[in-house]
Amino acid sequence: GAVVSQHPSRVICKSGTSVKIECRSLDFQATTMFWYRQFPKQSLMLMATSNEGSKATYEQGVEKDKFLINHASLTLSTLTVTSAHPEDSSFYICSASRLAASTDTQYFGPGTRLTVL
Amino acid sequence: AQSVAQPEDQVNVAEGNPLTVKCTYSVSGNPYLFWYVQYPNRGLQFLLKYITGDNLVKGSYGFEAEFNKSQTSFHLKKPSALVSDSALYFCAVRPTSGTYKYIFGTGTRLKVLA
Repeated sequence: GAVVSQHPSRVICKSGTSVKIECRSLDFQATTMFWYRQFPKQSLMLMATSNEGSKATYEQGVEKDKFLINHASLTLSTLTVTSAHPEDSSFYICSASRLAASTDTQYFGPGTRLTVL
Repeated sequence: AQSVAQPEDQVNVAEGNPLTVKCTYSVSGNPYLFWYVQYPNRGLQFLLKYITGDNLVKGSYGFEAEFNKSQTSFHLKKPSALVSDSALYFCAVRPTSGTYKYIFGTGTRLKVLA
C-alpha cells in the first residue's frame, strides 16, 4: 500500500512553454500533498504544501504564479511550471500523506525530470 | 532554528559488514523521525519511522534505527550490508506542532563495496 505515482517521469520542453506534472496517490486518500524540488547531489527543497480543495501554501521564495499547484481531489495534485526557463530544469518530487493519519508519514512519488531547452 | 544533521556526506562499508548512517536533530518537543532511501533518478522510498515506544525501530530491507532522546539522534543501522544497499539516505524529522512539513537532512551516500 501507499503508492504514489507521478507523470510524466521525464519531460523536455522549449523555453517559454508550460509543463504540467501529475501526482496521484493510487491506493489511499491524501489529505495533504507536497511538492519538492531536488538539485543534483542536494537534499529536497519543499516548494509548497497543498490540501485538497484549498489553495496551496508556498514556501518563501517560491513564485506561486510560476509554479501553479492544484489539488482537485483526494488522489490528485498537479504542478504546472508556467513559462518554463532553463533554470527551472530540475527533478521534481511529490509526496502524499494519508487521510486522517496522525503519524503523517509522507509517501513519495518516483519524481519527474524536467529539462527546459 | 530547527535542523537535522547528517554529518557524513558518504559512508563506505564492505559487503557483509554492519553499517551505520548517522542523524542528529535539533527540534523541540518529541518529533516524529523518519528514514528514506533514494536510488538514482527515483523518488524517496520510506524505510522506517519512530513515533513513540521502543527505541529500536525495525523497517524495510533489514534496516533498523535507534532513537536516543538524550543525544537527539536517530541513527540508521543494518547488521550486514549488501551491494544493493548503495544509495542516498535521508533522515527527516517532523515537529509535532505546527505544520506537516518535514525537516530533511542533507543526505548521506552509502557505498557498499563488494
